[in-house]
Amino acid sequence: QLVLTQSPSASASLGASVKLTCTLSSGHSSYAIAWHQQQPEKGPRYLMKLNSDGSHSKGDGIPDRFSGSSSGAERYLTISSLQSEDEADYYCQTWGTGIVFGGGTKLTVV
Amino acid sequence: EVQLLESGGGSVQPGGSLRLSCAASGFTFSSYAMSWVRQAPGKGLEWVSTISGFGGSTYYADSVKGRFTISRDNSKNTLYLQMNSLRVEDTAVYYCAKDDPGANYFDYWGQGTLVTVSS
Repeated sequence: QLVLTQSPSASASLGASVKLTCTLSSGHSSYAIAWHQQQPEKGPRYLMKLNSDGSHSKGDGIPDRFSGSSSGAERYLTISSLQSEDEADYYCQTWGTGIVFGGGTKLTVV
Repeated sequence: EVQLLESGGGSVQPGGSLRLSCAASGFTFSSYAMSWVRQAPGKGLEWVSTISGFGGSTYYADSVKGRFTISRDNSKNTLYLQMNSLRVEDTAVYYCAKDDPGANYFDYWGQGTLVTVSS
């Protein structure tokens, strides 16, 4: 069964970097994913598509501070030079027999 | 600029019906699959349904299969979701999303419309 696992929460300091993780279930380590950001009280925003080899393509207007990488079944979203507006929920998403979302990670910028 | 604007949300009793609309602009609507995704209060995102560009193929999550119908009118650049036999657990913000042409992920999202199912 295709499942994406994310830590429920993360925190990092203003100006620092943070690396969020999305883990694909067993047997699905070759799958690409997409990362989406949801700021409080807003609709989601597409950040990037991330392939198993770490190559990624970002959405329109997404700053260079956002990058993606991969290792095995892990897919990462790194945000550098954290700003207050980066405080948001981050969801990974993939597709197979259906479309699947991870549970989301709530990022707090302190 | 791609814009997706949902409407049609509201309050309805269990067993009732509601039709959501999503007006699209800024891209060639008929060239792209479109989807509905929902988010229950305080919860994560859940894919609901997808329709191909010309409407010939539709896909549903098991949780809504047989109760919801996705459709589109390419002449009006509008996506629809007909929701019947609504349940309390269908309460959520419903988002319209544009699918990437090469893969099943969403590259643009609307702001959402709230559906509340309550007696």
